[in-house]
Amino acid sequence: SQTIHQWPATLVQPVGSPLSLECTVEGTSNPNLYWYRQAAGRGLQLLFYSVGIGQISSEVPQNLSASRPQDRQFILSSKKLLLSDSGFYLCAWATGGNQPQHFGDGTRLSIL
Amino acid sequence: EDQVTQSPEALRLQEGESSSLNCSYTVSGLRGLFWYRQDPGKGPEFLFTLYSAGEEKEKERLKATLTKKESFLHITAPKPEDSATYLCAVRAFKTGGYNKLIFGAGTRLAVHP
Repeated sequence: SQTIHQWPATLVQPVGSPLSLECTVEGTSNPNLYWYRQAAGRGLQLLFYSVGIGQISSEVPQNLSASRPQDRQFILSSKKLLLSDSGFYLCAWATGGNQPQHFGDGTRLSIL
Repeated sequence: EDQVTQSPEALRLQEGESSSLNCSYTVSGLRGLFWYRQDPGKGPEFLFTLYSAGEEKEKERLKATLTKKESFLHITAPKPEDSATYLCAVRAFKTGGYNKLIFGAGTRLAVHP
């Protein structure tokens, strides 16, 4: 069966520091991969998606970037964090087409 | 503009008290409506996909229905373990072949014994 892993589960970072969040999927090949941010009381906001290695599309211009160095690995990065980058970050995968997306357990990011 | 609205924002039920959650949507070219359950501090867990008006799906105490403008998640005789936030999302066709999910803000359900 397929599983998705995200780490770390929680992270506290100072303003201006770099960021790297990692997501890996097991049990499937060539998945579509997604990064979302969830703010309290609001819907999930799609940040990036990828349909293959090295292929990244951005939905919202911001202080973040994403990379997909391997088929089942998706990384969310920032060179300098802002206070507004705080939130709950979720990674998801899908086999494509109209199949549902499946989510990891997220990373709670707090910026001080 | 594509939009998903869930109501109510929060719902408190007594154990055994059946109710419904609403998800209304405006989207061009619906390619599916998805229901998820999210527990505090966890990622959303997939429940159902509905593709066309009149379609229904059931799982234990949950039943999801779809019309051309909205979906309902009916909860029959809920138990405390059904307490969670329930998220609705729609997939709209986007030029270029990529299908994007648009999420509502969710309904926080609390079931008390």
